[in-house]
Amino acid sequence: QKEVEQNSGPLSVPEGAIASLNCTYSDRGSQSFFWYRQYSGKSPELIMSIYSNGDKEDGRFTAQLNKASQYVSLLIRDSQPSDSATYLCAARSAFGNEKLTFGTGTRLTIIP
Amino acid sequence: EPEVTQTPSHQVTQMGQEVILRCVPISNHLYFYWYRQILGQKVEFLVSFYNNEISEKSEIFDDQFSVERPDGSNFTLKIRSTKLEDSAMYFCACEAGTAGNTIYFGEGSWLTVV
Repeated sequence: QKEVEQNSGPLSVPEGAIASLNCTYSDRGSQSFFWYRQYSGKSPELIMSIYSNGDKEDGRFTAQLNKASQYVSLLIRDSQPSDSATYLCAARSAFGNEKLTFGTGTRLTIIP
Repeated sequence: EPEVTQTPSHQVTQMGQEVILRCVPISNHLYFYWYRQILGQKVEFLVSFYNNEISEKSEIFDDQFSVERPDGSNFTLKIRSTKLEDSAMYFCACEAGTAGNTIYFGEGSWLTVV
């Protein structure tokens, strides 16, 4: 059974600080990884995708992947109240055209 | 940003009734998916669909579920005889079909079975 594990939180971070979200996955064959943001009652919205070991930066967001440790993380710099949401980690065993396996999500609250 | 449109946004149905959830994927996309999310739980894969046939389905997608793309634009999920445990948010998703593509999710259809 392919699993993606996340700490469910809640994680509280002061406004302007760095939020760090972590995810591990069980399937060594996983090739691509995604962070989605989900506001309550809404659909998942893609924040970042990452395919290679190392860091990938996009604005205030940095995704980190370590395939040897089967670990993915998301850093959010200069956290804003609008970043308060549930962050979903997802993995797939190909670079495209296959199902995503989601973690349970980490609920993040940014405290003004 | 391209949009995946789902209807209805919310449906209440009696146990045992048939439900059809509809999705209009992004026009040039080739791969289609249905996911569901029971309240407070993780997003779960149901089925993937490509070239007018099912590519993969999960254990959840039993004989009560079916999908079709009747007219080349709509993509539907049918639940033949709904159960209380089918109450969930159902998301349609699609992607263009080349490596490294983004999966776009629709806004979801909230199904309540009473």
